[in-house]
Parts: sequence; structure tokens; C-alpha cells
Amino acid sequence: ETGVTQTPRHLVMGMTNKKSLKCEQHLGHNAMYWYKQSAKKPLELMFVYNFKEQTENNSVPSRFSPECPNSSHLFLHLHTLQPEDSALYLCASSQVILAGGSSTDTQYFGPGTRLTVL
Amino acid sequence: AQTVTQSQPEMSVQEAETVTLSCTYDTSESDYYLFWYKQPPSRQMILVIRQEAYKQQNATENRFSVNFQKAAKSFSLKISDSQLGDAAMYFCAYMNSGGYQKVTFGIGTKLQVIP
Repeated sequence: ETGVTQTPRHLVMGMTNKKSLKCEQHLGHNAMYWYKQSAKKPLELMFVYNFKEQTENNSVPSRFSPECPNSSHLFLHLHTLQPEDSALYLCASSQVILAGGSSTDTQYFGPGTRLTVL
Repeated sequence: AQTVTQSQPEMSVQEAETVTLSCTYDTSESDYYLFWYKQPPSRQMILVIRQEAYKQQNATENRFSVNFQKAAKSFSLKISDSQLGDAAMYFCAYMNSGGYQKVTFGIGTKLQVIP
């Protein structure tokens, strides 16, 4: 596998279900991201992880729970979702340069998980 | 807060012709990065081209080039010799430099390539 992979590619779940989205990056990066992509709206950044530590939570409801066990893997745990949470969820990774904490590198995206909440 | 505006929801171009996609942004920063991403119907978002704001020279990548006008806060993408595989959603994006990883995306432009 190369680049950024995501599983599953499609997920249909009921509002009472619990499921998880998985992301894996094979690029040696140290930062990972979750985005939500809805029709007719710009991509929305949800979470940022640097070196496995969450550094940004962009006011995401608690029914979305991220987990980053190591720099290569990122999960998004889902529970009691709402129909309006149906969207394409994209994972991305980048290399954050340590000195001064500046990030000058590009974010590389996975293919996404198409989530439908019934 | 930074904003990115793509005013063309849809564009079409004849195969082998040239098309320009528009993007404007708003920021009070002087140092930042701009990107064009392509998302084909298969959904994988791919980086097309990237521009550092401190560089006056416009970035180019094969058939793709940008017209970066810093004072006007404009960052258009030109696709030359359009090919059927260029059909996709194109997103313009902005990122501050200096330790801030948040990327702000535009709403996208859907490009259709007509054979």
C-alpha cells in the first residue's frame, strides 16, 4: 500500500450504531487530519493530530471521537450519529517540521469513506 | 479568518483547449501557501500545484500553471491542452505558514472536458 489508505470505503449505519473509520498513512508523516466533505460546502477540518497528540478539535460534536495510536494510524469512532452527519470523511497526512513548529509541507489525502446515516 | 472563494461552480473545456479556473482569497498574513487540489470522480484528492506566497515566480507543473497575484489575492489555475482525465472537481486551498496547519478550502469548481 502506498500513500494514504482509508477503510471502509462505504459505510451505512443506523443512528444507534457504533462504527469506526480507519486511516493509515505510508508516507512517514507525523501529522494526520480528519476532514468532512459535504455537498456544496467547503471541506471542514475536524481534528488534527501531531505526533499522536490532538492539537485541534474544530468544535466537532462528541459523537465523533478520534483516536491516534501512532503516527501512521488514525481512527474516527462514530456513535449515535445523525442523518446530517452523512458525508464523505477524508483523512490526510503531512510532515510537520519540528523547528519552530512550522508546517511547510502539503497534506496528502486518502480516498475517503462515504458515510450514510439512516 | 481566512476565506477562499471559487466563483465558478462549473466550467467546461473542449479537449486540447485551455481553461482557467479562478480563485480569490482573503488574508491579513504576508507568508502563506496556496494549493490547487483535484478530486476526480473516484474521490481521491490529489495535489495539482502549490505556490509559496514569498515566491514571485508562478508555479508550473507540466500542463498546469498558476497566475498568482499577491496584491489582488488572486490565484488562478490554467490547464493547457486539456485531457479527458482532467475532468474533476478542483479545489483551491490556503494555508498559513509558521506553525499553523489548518488548510482553508474553497467550495470547488467542477470541470467538464468535452471530447
